[in-house]
Amino acid sequence: DQQVKQNSPSLSVQEGRISILNCDYTNSMFDYFLWYKKYPAEGPTFLISISSIKDKNEDGRFTVFLNKSAKHLSLHIVPSQPGDSAVYFCAAGGAGSYQLTFGKGTKLSVIP
Amino acid sequence: NAGVTQTPKFRVLKTGQSMTLLCAQDMNHEYMYWYRQDPGMGLRLIHYSVGEGTTAKGEVPDGYNVSRLKKQNFLLGLESAAPSQTSVYFCASSANWGYLNTGELFFGEGSRLTVL
Repeated sequence: DQQVKQNSPSLSVQEGRISILNCDYTNSMFDYFLWYKKYPAEGPTFLISISSIKDKNEDGRFTVFLNKSAKHLSLHIVPSQPGDSAVYFCAAGGAGSYQLTFGKGTKLSVIP
Repeated sequence: NAGVTQTPKFRVLKTGQSMTLLCAQDMNHEYMYWYRQDPGMGLRLIHYSVGEGTTAKGEVPDGYNVSRLKKQNFLLGLESAAPSQTSVYFCASSANWGYLNTGELFFGEGSRLTVL
């Protein structure tokens, strides 16, 4: 049973517009969440994270929102740039666990 | 800065052959992980280690063994390779873990394994 779900396999956005990537989770024990970005033939790289005591975290063009009651988080990229084209993975972890559980990823294409 | 280094980057095996993937990190991290990535499946944890001399099973451990004899190295072994183990393997490490920690993982570039 998938505990972290990214229901959109792909997303296309015009350059300069907002990209919104969504992630849902089912395990209420998760208390921190991360987004990773992956280019082809490279390893994933950490992008931004949020703990369950917050509902928003911002880092430059990237903002992650957490809605604990809905068990939903989203990554907003504003403005989107062609270099943002990559696969984005949502990941979640729980206190006392040494593991992260990853979603299947969403491929973002930013069209110039 | 090397970070996390995986060798080999590519390997082709025949069914039944054995091999070892080596992961080395130079960040003095305690925790190390092996993931596999398959199309449409995301990243799935195979095994992990919380310190030198320790190993534990992840989500998909069957058919794999691991060892962490030195803090900086984490080895992933396939004793008898099967076509179902064709995948891209990623090693990762992290410095610390715990409440309010970001749990950030640093990944290697991946090792592409094909089993014929």
